[in-house]
Amino acid sequence: DIVMTQSPDSLAVSLGERATINCKSSQNVLYSSDNKNYLAWYQQKPGQPPKVLIYWASNRESGVPDRFSGSGSGTDFTLTISSLQAEDVAVYFCHQYYTTPHTFGQGTKLEIK
Amino acid sequence: QVQLVQSGAEVKKPGASVKVSCKASGYTFTSYYIHWVRQAPGQGLEWMGIINPSGHSRTYAQKFQGRVTLVTDTSTSTVYMELSSLTSEDTAVYFCAREPPWSGSYYAYWGQGTLITVSS
Repeated sequence: DIVMTQSPDSLAVSLGERATINCKSSQNVLYSSDNKNYLAWYQQKPGQPPKVLIYWASNRESGVPDRFSGSGSGTDFTLTISSLQAEDVAVYFCHQYYTTPHTFGQGTKLEIK
Repeated sequence: QVQLVQSGAEVKKPGASVKVSCKASGYTFTSYYIHWVRQAPGQGLEWMGIINPSGHSRTYAQKFQGRVTLVTDTSTSTVYMELSSLTSEDTAVYFCAREPPWSGSYYAYWGQGTLITVSS
């Protein structure tokens, strides 16, 4: 199975500041035939299902604010929130869908400093 | 709009089975794969399996092989997840999720989740 490891486990950032979450996969999730990274990012708030923010590592889902961005390729990925807003307090997960079983990072809890 | 509506919370005794439903609407049911993911209290996400509502092909996570069954009812646009031989370790919120309208197996749409509590 592909192991997804996020860092840090928790993060406290001041309002308006940048938040950066990292995700490392134990195997390459870049598919050579289509040159796509099979990596998504989700935001989850208490009592709600996760919500997709980013897919193909860097494509922003429709309706997601442009302060959210994804980058990286192969085995190393980053989710960046350029200017933290109060409503961004949540847990963030990375997810590889390169192969089954799909696997997820352990989650990063983002709070306001 | 696309909606996945799951059945309600249940309490089960150890050793019992549970069947959770996921009713789809707002799209052609047979056109998109459905995944099941669970989340233990305060924990991360765990993929359980995937089913093709069109051809009924399915793949299960090895961890759940022999204990989980995914079936579809195309007449009601519903996917069912049955988990048997429950233990306290199966206490979790169970989600169904659908793939996006284009290629890629990430989860664009989610059910609201169903809490299954296993307790004697």
